[in-house]
Amino acid sequence: AAGVIQSPRHLIKEKRETATLKCYPIPRHDTVYWYQQGPGQDPQFLISFYEKMQSDKGSIPDRFSAQQFSDYHSELNMSSLELGDSALYFCASGAGGSQPQHFGDGTRLSIL
Amino acid sequence: AQKVTQAQTEISVVEKEDVTLDCVYETRDTTYYLFWYKQPPSGELVFLIRRNSFDEQNEISGRYSWNFQKSTSSFNFTITASQVVDSAVYFCALSEALTQGGSEKLVFGKGTKLTVNP
Repeated sequence: AAGVIQSPRHLIKEKRETATLKCYPIPRHDTVYWYQQGPGQDPQFLISFYEKMQSDKGSIPDRFSAQQFSDYHSELNMSSLELGDSALYFCASGAGGSQPQHFGDGTRLSIL
Repeated sequence: AQKVTQAQTEISVVEKEDVTLDCVYETRDTTYYLFWYKQPPSGELVFLIRRNSFDEQNEISGRYSWNFQKSTSSFNFTITASQVVDSAVYFCALSEALTQGGSEKLVFGKGTKLTVNP
């Protein structure tokens, strides 16, 4: 079965650079979520989209933005990167209602 | 506000032992969903089970079983006859139902790191 695809799997950036993470949800899933997981931490919700509209916002820094495109893929844009942005970034998709969210394998972002 | 508490930070067992991971949650909603996810050392998050607030039936899937008790706001997870491959961080999570469609974000507990030794 098709899963959530995230790219790239690993990304190394320097402070003050920008990064773009991509997410391709499971076909026919109408909701996309982004989570950030710091080392040894639980995943923290950043932002979600339902039918290409932003549906909820969590503790996402103003330096970050995201959008969902007409083909349902989503991108998380991160600017002025800081050392503290080093984390595993997960995208998840869901079919709505009570259906579970299925996670991609994550993008490991390292800031040097 | 939603909150999930996993009081056990780390558990270490010997292979073939049974182990129970505790999860206690807080929510003001009457309709909500509870989940368990597994995160092996490779880092991916693997969905294990979903339970809605109206279904208090316990569930067994192979060596895994779940005990949902609304009276104590708990959703505990038991692994029977543990194996080395069960070593991972296990997260309990909660989401609330949205009236306008779509799914609510997941609120995770801090996770329990399970180590199964041979």
